[in-house]
Amino acid sequence: EIVLTQSPGTLSLSPGERATLSCRASQSVSSTFLAWYQQKPGQAPRLLIYGASSRATGIPDRFSGSGSGTDFTLTISRLEPEDFAVYYCQQYGRSPLTFGPGTKVEIK
Amino acid sequence: EVQLVESGGGLVQPGRSLRLSCAASGFTFGDYAMHWVRQAPGKGLEWVSGISWNSGSIGYADSVKGRFTISRDNAKNSLYLQMNSLRPEDTALYYCSKVRTYGDYFSNFDYWGQGTLVTVSS
Repeated sequence: EIVLTQSPGTLSLSPGERATLSCRASQSVSSTFLAWYQQKPGQAPRLLIYGASSRATGIPDRFSGSGSGTDFTLTISRLEPEDFAVYYCQQYGRSPLTFGPGTKVEIK
Repeated sequence: EVQLVESGGGLVQPGRSLRLSCAASGFTFGDYAMHWVRQAPGKGLEWVSGISWNSGSIGYADSVKGRFTISRDNAKNSLYLQMNSLRPEDTALYYCSKVRTYGDYFSNFDYWGQGTLVTVSS
């Protein structure tokens, strides 16, 4: 099983600041098979990024993904008030499909 | 508009069974693999099970293998999860999710339902 580790656990930032979230895999993940989701309280997860760097439909361009192998990054260039949420990475290249534990982006 | 509506959750005693359903609309259900993902209260996301468009490929997390059974009825645009021998650790919000890419079995998920809560407790 591929274990995903996300850091930091919590990120405290102000609106307008840049957020950098990390996802590290226990084994190499093809970049084709890495996704990022956003989840707000009481809501279902929302797909942000797939294939490590492709934005899903309707996702603003302040969200970007990068990385390869075992290290992946989600960057939010300038935080908007609606971006404060929990972010999960997911690998879907190998069974079982796994998610990281999440990074909470909170208002400082 | 794509909609996924889960139902069937509730309070159940340990060792008992429950069947979850997911009604899909707004897309050609029979073209897409579907999955169940759960989230225990205050915890992260855990993949539970997935099924390909034609039921030819099916997978389960180790934590539910042998106890849960996924199935689908393309004529009824519905996905199911039969959960037997339920344990307290199965307590979670269960989401039905659709893969983004036509034909893919393992994939990312572009649509999620709002979830149905399963509580296993005596």
